[in-house]
Amino acid sequence: QVQLVESGGGVVQPGRSLRLSCAASGFTFTRFAMHWVRQAPGKGLEWVAVISFDGTKEYYVDSVQGRFTVSRDNSNNTLFLQMNSLKTEDTAVYYCAQGQSGYLDDWGQGTLVTVSS
Amino acid sequence: EIVMTQSPATLSVSPGQRATLSCRASQTVTSNVAWYQRRPGQGPRLLIYHTSIRASGVPDRFSGSGSGTQFILTISSLQSEDFAVYYCQHYHTWPWTFGQGTNVEIK
Repeated sequence: QVQLVESGGGVVQPGRSLRLSCAASGFTFTRFAMHWVRQAPGKGLEWVAVISFDGTKEYYVDSVQGRFTVSRDNSNNTLFLQMNSLKTEDTAVYYCAQGQSGYLDDWGQGTLVTVSS
Repeated sequence: EIVMTQSPATLSVSPGQRATLSCRASQTVTSNVAWYQRRPGQGPRLLIYHTSIRASGVPDRFSGSGSGTQFILTISSLQSEDFAVYYCQHYHTWPWTFGQGTNVEIK
């Protein structure tokens, strides 16, 4: 079955960087767009970024544009999120998810990122 | 961006009863709406897409309806495993956005 396993979360100071990974299995990774969605404490879900199946197109929510970069390694079925210039408001559980048509078919369990001095 | 507003924020329902959850879009999203369930400690699970199509493996007690700006998720007879938080989401134009969630709790 589909498995999405996020890693790389942790505690980081404001202004620093962090790189999240998502290992995918159980489906043909190269056929699906991949997404990062986050949930801040006590808040709702927020779409962060999406990358096309072949890695040629990326979209970001305005609040992370220019600071976060999504990428993928189709040879190793892995999705990444490079997060630079982190802010306290980036504190959240980050989920990776797969979906080609706008809705998200499968999600990981999430990894917690805490930005705090 | 399109704002998705869910109501109520919390819904208290007895097991076996019907639950009706609402989602309103700030502008038309045609039928491009999905619903997700999130249980504590788990990632969200896709329930419904294109307003009314159940995802694979989703029980038929879950149904979706609506179009344009008004959408409904109905759970016909609540089971113990259905007590969770439910989110609507549109995918009409970027950025895709979620509602703030409805917490379905045991009455």
